[in-house]
Amino acid sequence: ELKVEQNPLFLSMQEGKNYTIYCNYSTTSDRLYWYRQDPGKSLESLFVLLSNGAVKQEGRLMASLDTKARLSTLHITAAVHDLSATYFCAVDIFMEYGNKLVFGAGTILRVKS
Amino acid sequence: DAGVTQSPTHLIKTRGQQVTLRCSPKSGHDTVSWYQQALGQGPQFIFQYYEEEERQRGNFPDRFSGHQYPNYSSELNVNALLLGDSALYLCASTSGVGTQYFGPGTRLTVL
Repeated sequence: ELKVEQNPLFLSMQEGKNYTIYCNYSTTSDRLYWYRQDPGKSLESLFVLLSNGAVKQEGRLMASLDTKARLSTLHITAAVHDLSATYFCAVDIFMEYGNKLVFGAGTILRVKS
Repeated sequence: DAGVTQSPTHLIKTRGQQVTLRCSPKSGHDTVSWYQQALGQGPQFIFQYYEEEERQRGNFPDRFSGHQYPNYSSELNVNALLLGDSALYLCASTSGVGTQYFGPGTRLTVL
């Protein structure tokens, strides 16, 4: 059974600091998503990583994918309070018919000023 | 271009009742997936509809059923509601097996 593991599950960090969230998964996939979720809200798509070695950056967030290691990272640079949210990685699993996303448990990020 | 829409936004039901949630996909999308997100957890795949048929199903009981209409909109039905069905229900649409776009969700509370 596919497992998607995120760590840490909770991250409290000071403004201005850097940190990395890790997403390990247990089966082959060439497509991985990172989402942000604010309390009571839906999922906001941050990145879609489509191939081995893919790296994408948007503002203070940078995501990468290593399909051989089955590992994706979300790096936060110089954190600001507005980045406080829950972050999910999701692995896209292609089946005989259709596809589905398998999500990690999420990382709750709190940025303290 | 309207994105994925869902209705209602919030819903309160009692145990044993039945509920129907609705989803309209993003323009140009023909595939709809449903996910359940319990509080404090990641979303879990319920099922996926394409060409008005369920083509994949997650580990959910038969109380969860769905439908897709010719205009690609979709419904999620849950019968005999349990307290544990309280969750945020998310609809995602895609074209074929492309990138999934999520709607705003329906918050279901079962009392």
